[in-house]
Amino acid sequence: DAGITQSPRHKVTETGTPVTLRCHQTENHRYMYWYRQDPGHGLRLIHYSYGVKDTDKGEVSDGYSVSRSKTEDFLLTLESATSSQTSVYFCAISGGGADYGYTFGSGTRLTVV
Amino acid sequence: QKEVEQDPGPLSVPEGAIVSLNCTYSNSAFQYFMWYRQYSRKGPELLMYTYSSGNKEDGRFTAQVDKSSKYISLFIRDSQPSDSATYLCAMSSTSGNTPLVFGKGTRLSVIA
Repeated sequence: DAGITQSPRHKVTETGTPVTLRCHQTENHRYMYWYRQDPGHGLRLIHYSYGVKDTDKGEVSDGYSVSRSKTEDFLLTLESATSSQTSVYFCAISGGGADYGYTFGSGTRLTVV
Repeated sequence: QKEVEQDPGPLSVPEGAIVSLNCTYSNSAFQYFMWYRQYSRKGPELLMYTYSSGNKEDGRFTAQVDKSSKYISLFIRDSQPSDSATYLCAMSSTSGNTPLVFGKGTRLSVIA
């Protein structure tokens, strides 16, 4: 997707290990978001950022932390991965917030075994 | 009650049919209404954007907002197999910092 890159695209990890997913943007957008998508639940917001070092929790933030030390990078860390965190994770960016719409990355498919 | 309700389907229609996808919502502060399309194993992409009430048309797609009923719709005319995807509605209030609220998505299959 233009201007937004997620890495890795796929990852398999063991229960109890820490995992970090990266979202990188080249659009210089202020807002960045992390979602997870699961069958029957749709997109659920984990954390979001409205500026460097400014972050807030979403509806499913337990077990996740984020960091944003520069505009272009937003990191999502699973502190101690559990099988319930097996999911597809999407990063999104926006120049003006929710009322401007989001651009999504291609997603990271994470499996916790 | 969830803020945004969307029938997950699946919805299966023949090629050329008119498709109607709908969402209802409970928060009267919502002002911005969007539809995203998501192909399998891809990220959602913004399809239609509407501010406040009324209709917006873009090619075969029409987005409709009825704020009095708290109901939004997406119509697809002359549906094509390439329209087969999951469609998610999303909406927000006037605050830029408040994240979008998404429906769960409706899976659509257009059969040739």
